[in-house]
Amino acid sequence: SYELIQPPSVSVSPGQTARITCSGDALPKHYSYWYQQKAGQAPVLLIFKDNERPSGIPERFSGSSSGTTVTLTISGVQAEDETDYYCQSTDSSGNVVFGGGTKLTVL
Amino acid sequence: VQLLESGGGLVQPGGSLRLSCAASGFTFSSYAMSWVRQAPGKGLEWVSGVTTRGGRTYYADSVKGRFTISRDNSKNMVYLQMNSLRVEDTAVYYCAKSEGVPGTSYWYFDLWGRGILVTVSS
Repeated sequence: SYELIQPPSVSVSPGQTARITCSGDALPKHYSYWYQQKAGQAPVLLIFKDNERPSGIPERFSGSSSGTTVTLTISGVQAEDETDYYCQSTDSSGNVVFGGGTKLTVL
Repeated sequence: VQLLESGGGLVQPGGSLRLSCAASGFTFSSYAMSWVRQAPGKGLEWVSGVTTRGGRTYYADSVKGRFTISRDNSKNMVYLQMNSLRVEDTAVYYCAKSEGVPGTSYWYFDLWGRGILVTVSS
């Protein structure tokens, strides 16, 4: 079955830039999406269609795509950004697939 | 604008449960809907989706043949009938409003409920 691969953890110092990757063979042809999930809460959409940001999401969150890897970039990381992040796309059958999730630690 | 799940609880392996999701604050009949689950301490897993009028449904392989998604646009409700439940179905189940077109790469979730816990255990 199709998989999206994320690093289990990423660490960054406050004010620095965090980059969370997501790899999948179909990503060059399929859109990617990113969600933030804080403990005990529902996920929140951060990025859609690879690099578009919903209204209300801070500009420091951005998405990019290069080949089979998509990247969520968080500029000027704040303590409140320490939580879990998930990428999402679809497989060749059109079914939704989530990455395994990345825990961002702000040092 | 919100989604509110109900119907969760404790059920024995092999049992059944029906989850409900009440939508409010948006034109429910204009949007596809999905269920996404999260096992304790684990990541997100998409479970099932349904198109705006209920004409097409989509299922993860892990639940195909056991779960059935449906909707009632007159009541702004979406349901998940879960049969032949297994221990590995234990999870928080989220109802999610879809944007885009189910079954294509333009399909994602812009509004989520708070989630409801389903525990399958003897």
